[in-house]
Amino acid sequence: GAVVSQHPSWVICKSGTSVKIECRSLDFQATTMFWYRQFPKQSLMLMATSNEGSKATYEQGVEKDKFLINHASLTLSTLTVTSAHPEDSSFYICSARVRENEQFFGPGTRLTVL
Amino acid sequence: GESVGLHLPTLSVQEGDNSIINCAYSNSASDYFIWYKQESGKGPQFIIDIRSNMDKRQGQRVTVLLNKTVKHLSLQIAATQPGDSAVYFCAGDNFNKFYFGSGTKLNVKP
Repeated sequence: GAVVSQHPSWVICKSGTSVKIECRSLDFQATTMFWYRQFPKQSLMLMATSNEGSKATYEQGVEKDKFLINHASLTLSTLTVTSAHPEDSSFYICSARVRENEQFFGPGTRLTVL
Repeated sequence: GESVGLHLPTLSVQEGDNSIINCAYSNSASDYFIWYKQESGKGPQFIIDIRSNMDKRQGQRVTVLLNKTVKHLSLQIAATQPGDSAVYFCAGDNFNKFYFGSGTKLNVKP
C-alpha cells in the first residue's frame, strides 16, 4: 500500500525559532497533500491543503505566514512553523492523496516548543 | 466546513463483545465518510469507508452504518480484541477535504 513518511518524528525547539517538518510519499506521487494538527486528546484539525507547484490553501483561522507550506515536488511537502511558541506545541500529521477520496497518513511529528 | 462530532468520548468493552461507536455529522452535502483508527503517538489508519448512496458496508469484523435521514453513522466492531484499543474517528468529505470528528477512545478489557 501507499506509504507516507514524516521527518522528524519528534522535535524540541526554543521559543522564537523555526521548525521544518517534511512529508514524503515514498512509493507514489501526490499532487495533493494535507497538513493536520492534533492537540492532546483532541481530534485532527485540517490546517491546509498543499498543492504541488502552487500555493497552499489554508483553512479559516490558520495563519499562512506562520505555517509556511511548500510542495516543490510530487513526493515532498514541507511545513515550516515560523517563530514557534509554546502554544504551537502539537502533533502535526500530513496525509497524501492517492486518488479521489483516498488519502494515506504519515506517522506524525511531535513538536514541543520550550 | 464540515462539522462531524461523536456522542461518546470513551467506550469500555469486554474482550469478545461487540463495540458500537457513533458519529453525527451536520453537512448533508457530504457524500463520503471514513472511519479511522489512531493508536497512541501514531497517524490515523483507514478502517472502512462508505458512500452516501449506501446505508451499510461490511469489512473484516467491522461494519459501518449510515443513516442519512438523521445524519448519523456508526462503526460496529465484532468480537472486539485488545488490539482494537485505540481512538476512533469518523471523517466526512467536503469538496475532497476531510474533516474529523472528536474521537471515541475504545478500551478493551481482557
